[in-house]
Amino acid sequence: NAGVTQTPKFQVLKTGQSMTLQCAQDMNHNSMYWYRQDPGMGLRLIYYSASEGTTDKGEVPNGYNVSRLNKREFSLRLESAAPSQTSVYFCASSVDRGETQYFGPGTRLLVL
Amino acid sequence: LAKTTQPISMDSYEGQEVNITCSHNNIATNDYITWYQQFPSQGPRFIIQGYKTKVTNEVASLFIPADRKSSTLSLPRVSLSDTAVYYCLVGGLNTNAGKSTFGDGTTLTVKP
Repeated sequence: NAGVTQTPKFQVLKTGQSMTLQCAQDMNHNSMYWYRQDPGMGLRLIYYSASEGTTDKGEVPNGYNVSRLNKREFSLRLESAAPSQTSVYFCASSVDRGETQYFGPGTRLLVL
Repeated sequence: LAKTTQPISMDSYEGQEVNITCSHNNIATNDYITWYQQFPSQGPRFIIQGYKTKVTNEVASLFIPADRKSSTLSLPRVSLSDTAVYYCLVGGLNTNAGKSTFGDGTTLTVKP
């Protein structure tokens, strides 16, 4: 049981480049989440998916898009990266909305 | 959206009991209170969850007064390995829990 996995672990982008952060869970959870964490700050919710086939905006959705590919996978896409998107990105999953969230190890993104 | 307020930081010594309080004045009737722990370079992990009164597990206790406008995480006999950031999260199960916010957390430093 790997839990929540994220790829890549670390990425450097130039301003304007695009990329997709991948997240997968093997716990058969219905709900999945994407957060960002800036240095010394708490986590801020970008998007979440309450169940397969649904997605909804969180606190800071601007500049991001998501896809709930299937029950296991939830990807986050940056269409045109900006330095302000330099952060650590965490994916999480839970059995259902509001239940205990299980987090992945994070993706460290640096946008130059 | 239930906003939470926690102390920014706390210091303690090994072997002491630590109590971290979280204020959530606009908690809704169906909201639960969940605490997470985060070590550097890792995703948060679940510690304890409760709705009212007292909940205890093998690592912590959670005290919630009758008005539920605050909660206190109690860590008995802390050790150096308990140095981490602790987050209080308020949200409902199977409702709008995706809108719950983590806040900036409390940085606990345990000294020898």
